[in-house]
Amino acid sequence: QKEVEQDPGPLSVPEGAIVSLNCTYSNSAFQYFMWYRQYSRKGPELLMYTYSSGNKEDGRFTAQVDKSSKYISLFIRDSQPSDSATYLCASNNQAGTALIFGKGTTLSVSS
Amino acid sequence: DGGITQSPKYLFRKEGQNVTLSCEQNLNHDAMYWYRQDPGQGLRLIYYSQIVNDFQKGDIAEGYSVSREKKESFPLTVTSAQKNPTAFYLCASSYPGGDEQFFGPGTRLTVL
Repeated sequence: QKEVEQDPGPLSVPEGAIVSLNCTYSNSAFQYFMWYRQYSRKGPELLMYTYSSGNKEDGRFTAQVDKSSKYISLFIRDSQPSDSATYLCASNNQAGTALIFGKGTTLSVSS
Repeated sequence: DGGITQSPKYLFRKEGQNVTLSCEQNLNHDAMYWYRQDPGQGLRLIYYSQIVNDFQKGDIAEGYSVSREKKESFPLTVTSAQKNPTAFYLCASSYPGGDEQFFGPGTRLTVL
């Protein structure tokens, strides 16, 4: 079983919709959780970062971690066509070590 | 401007040739990483380095080599031993003990 699982999609939504992107992980030692956004043929950019359980909000984006169920979520409110990208979740159990990535979910927001 | 640069953006290689991908950062980060990305596979770790003159193998190190002679630079060599080198290669860096990794723009390598 891969340590971080992510549904690859694709996910298509109309502009203005609320988007929910999800990952599950298997290693209970994971403490650091990240969401990256990657546009086509570009490097990933860090979108959200959370430590341990709980929610973190930044503008239209909310990251949520539920360690009891080993579930990671990213919510996008009022989605825009510019949100169309691949979203990668990532985690590790020790700061400064390499990240374990999910395969990424491709999102398309139509105007 | 602080950041991570990778060169070249596109690289074509004939079978049997070694090629070196460049990664430079001016963020004063100690740790640097190389990932490979294939369609539908996500990012997989090739090598990483926590400090100058030291590096460790990742999950898919076979057919690759690295060096870390300077803090700012972490070049990756794709050798002829790498069976399927065509991929998108991403370099990243982070602060000492930091978990937020920052990525470069990537190099797309194609073997002809």
